Amino acid sequence: NAGVTQTPKFQVLKTGQSMTLQCAQDMNHNSMYWYRQDPGMGLRLIYYSASEGTTDKGEVPNGYNVSRLNKREFSLRLESAAPSQTSVYFCASSAADSSNSPLHFGNGTRLTVT
Amino acid sequence: KQEVTQIPAALSVPEGENLVLNCSFTDSAIYNLQWFRQDPGKGLTSLLLIQSSQREQTSGRLNASLDKSSGRSTLYIAASQPGDSATYLCAVKRFGTYKYIFGTGTRLKVLA
Repeated sequence: NAGVTQTPKFQVLKTGQSMTLQCAQDMNHNSMYWYRQDPGMGLRLIYYSASEGTTDKGEVPNGYNVSRLNKREFSLRLESAAPSQTSVYFCASSAADSSNSPLHFGNGTRLTVT
Repeated sequence: KQEVTQIPAALSVPEGENLVLNCSFTDSAIYNLQWFRQDPGKGLTSLLLIQSSQREQTSGRLNASLDKSSGRSTLYIAASQPGDSATYLCAVKRFGTYKYIFGTGTRLKVLA
């Protein structure tokens, strides 16, 4: 019962470095999401993918890019990391075509940019 | 624009108390509302999902209600236990979108 798997769990970057956060789900879900969580700010949507082959911007997309590689995988890329991107990043998925389908989360990636 | 508010931000109660957590939203055109639990350093775990057409959902000691007309949902926890200590978040999904909007959560501490 893997659910939503995120890698890596922890990462430290220097300003200007790039990295890709990986996310995979094994529940055959259509929709996938990337959120960031910061103290006092709650979870904010970065990008989402309603279905394979589509991606859309959320509330805070600047500085990020995404790829919906296939139905299972949705990656988040930081091209040039900045200290403001220090955060905990969560990937989530759901079966988009049902109002009774809950959102499932991975365990998060804790990113520090120095 | 949908806004979701959770008050209080933090709550401490003695073990055994029944308690209510609140979630308010500004746009009543929601598809569903979910309550989540988050333990420190962990991801979010879905507790209950209430569809737009429903008034409440129950799971064990948890009961969530939904009143769209007033823009409110409550999570009732019966006979609280120290293991219930966590942050509880609500999220709403609006009709016609794929997005979930989250509240900032209520940090609950149940004292033994």
